[in-house]
Amino acid sequence: GEDVEQSLFLSVREGDSSVINCTYTDSSSTYLYWYKQEPGAGLQLLTYIFSNMDMKQDQRLTVLLNKKDKHLSLRIADTQTGDSAIYFCAEKGNTGKLIFGQGTTLQVKP
Amino acid sequence: GAGVSQSPSNKVTEKGKDVELRCDPISGHTALYWYRQSLGQGLEFLIYFQGNSAPDKSGLPSDRFSAERTGGSVSTLTIQRTQQEDSAVYLCASSFDAGAQYFGPGTRLTVL
Repeated sequence: GEDVEQSLFLSVREGDSSVINCTYTDSSSTYLYWYKQEPGAGLQLLTYIFSNMDMKQDQRLTVLLNKKDKHLSLRIADTQTGDSAIYFCAEKGNTGKLIFGQGTTLQVKP
Repeated sequence: GAGVSQSPSNKVTEKGKDVELRCDPISGHTALYWYRQSLGQGLEFLIYFQGNSAPDKSGLPSDRFSAERTGGSVSTLTIQRTQQEDSAVYLCASSFDAGAQYFGPGTRLTVL
């Protein structure tokens, strides 16, 4: 079946790099996504990666995909207090629906 | 351009009443999705529309839940005879065909 797992909490100091990890089970997933949710807000699409890619970089964000291990990570360089939020990893299921992980709460300490 | 909009932003209702939640997708987006977010269950898929038809309704929790989409645009999610376990944030997303999904701000439903 389809399942996505994430660690629940990460705390970093401002200026450090943050790495949020995710594992998924559906090897047929074509796209994998990262969304950010700030308190009281909807989901903001941060970035996504096609399953035949290993890495994608977008400004401070780097996504790494290990398809063999079904492992996805999001690295945020030079983490700022404004990056504090919940980050969701999602895989696209066979009908286009997204299957989300539980979300990782990122706490950035000044 | 305008993003996905949802109304109302908050809805408080009494157990047993019916509620309607509305979603306006991004103009030109052909696909529309409903999800719900609750503390106990996380983010769950409810239903997916391609145009006006719903190829995947597998996430609707019971027959009290229904949704429709008209004119390939606005969608309404209806919950009949609401129960306390229906309390959640209902999120709508749209995409152009099978592209990336963009989410609205959600409707927070509280059933007393």
